[in-house]
Amino acid sequence: QQPVQSPQAVILREGEDAVINCSSSKALYSVHWYRQKHGEAPVFLMILLKGGEQKGHEKISASFNEKKQQSSLYLTASQLSYSGTYFCGTEVLAQDSWGKLQFGAGTQVVVTP
Amino acid sequence: DTAVSQTPKYLVTQMGNDKSIKCEQNLGHDTMYWYKQDSKKFLKIMFSYNNKELIINETVPNRFSPKSPDKAHLNLHINSLELGDSAVYFCASSQDSPGQGAGVTGELFFGEGSRLTVL
Repeated sequence: QQPVQSPQAVILREGEDAVINCSSSKALYSVHWYRQKHGEAPVFLMILLKGGEQKGHEKISASFNEKKQQSSLYLTASQLSYSGTYFCGTEVLAQDSWGKLQFGAGTQVVVTP
Repeated sequence: DTAVSQTPKYLVTQMGNDKSIKCEQNLGHDTMYWYKQDSKKFLKIMFSYNNKELIINETVPNRFSPKSPDKAHLNLHINSLELGDSAVYFCASSQDSPGQGAGVTGELFFGEGSRLTVL
């Protein structure tokens, strides 16, 4: 079951903030965030685990509401380098889902000068 | 040194042909994955191997056959290629060994992708 991301796309001016949301219809073990630039491989940003543990880059912030099965990624004081497609990946808390990291359709972020 | 490397980077072929994509990781990770990214950018998991053992096999046609000769390598062979197989295929690896009660708690390292075009 793939997560649902919103918005599909966002255009920002440098310095502005944005929030990308990710939701699942099932209870989650973890939420992962990756950024992919055009023609490149997805690059890790952050993991948020059930129980509150987070691992990731210091400049990135995100939240995970386990009860609502939702996560949000916060782009604060955006820089040109933040442009790319952001994917959330979710691992469902179910016996047959261990290791199955399913990604959403992505949110395209364009930061302009 | 590239952590996760895939070959070839580009592959153009005719319908009905058979092709392979190779992946190697030098990170010492135990788990490797194949993901397919279609034209709509969805990243869909296809297979996962942990220490040469198949642990995830999503609903993928039988024409797709992964093989892991050792834990550093994961290859993908596709028989009788169809137009719908056109996509970018990403290999990834992680340190985790997902299983009962244990999920993916670490970073996935992706290769640069192999763009397959079926004509």
